Amino acid sequence: GQQLNQSPQSMFIQEGEDVSMNCTSSSIFNTWLWYKQDPGEGPVLLIALYKAGELTSNGRLTAQFGITRKDSFLNISASIPSDVGIYFCAGQLGNSGYALNFGKGTSLLVTP
Amino acid sequence: DVKVTQSSRYLVKRTGEKVFLECVQDMDHENMFWYRQDPGLGLRLIYFSYDVKMKEKGDIPEGYSVSREKKERFSLILESASTNQTSMYLCASQPGTVNTEAFFGQGTRLTVV
Repeated sequence: GQQLNQSPQSMFIQEGEDVSMNCTSSSIFNTWLWYKQDPGEGPVLLIALYKAGELTSNGRLTAQFGITRKDSFLNISASIPSDVGIYFCAGQLGNSGYALNFGKGTSLLVTP
Repeated sequence: DVKVTQSSRYLVKRTGEKVFLECVQDMDHENMFWYRQDPGLGLRLIYFSYDVKMKEKGDIPEGYSVSREKKERFSLILESASTNQTSMYLCASQPGTVNTEAFFGQGTRLTVV
């Protein structure tokens, strides 16, 4: 499968700060997904995006499906300590029907 | 809510043992996947299945096999465990093939000694 380019690799921020991370690909995707993984647990779906240009929010989280269909970003506003974890982007290729392609994750640390 | 359940959270096995990792989903999903997750490498697809008794190799199938005898259950088999198979194993299920999300189990941390 194709590996997505996710950045930054890690972030260390103070509580209350906003966070932004993004994923890029050389291929066009039909679907972009954002997951959060707590230590020792499986990833949990945060936001799903299905249309180019789509902007979707889930509480303090906002994600967008890039117009070119080759990128997506996730923003977290007013971070809190429980936002700590690893955030993964995942995409589904237009000509595939099955497995998702994943980024390597952004590790987020939030200090009180 | 979709529930994907992996049979063990933690396993310790000896080199050469045959190891079975079980995954069950309760939402009648068509597709099921096995990934392994290692630091710095992200999630890598081992095998997936889009129907009962159907399976497809992912990116790293060597040393693994799978079984899907029933729609809700997808098993990962390590034929002869080796230390380089020490990893976090994640099972996921997905309702269909287009524009659908994957839901993950809680993971199995396997240590091969």
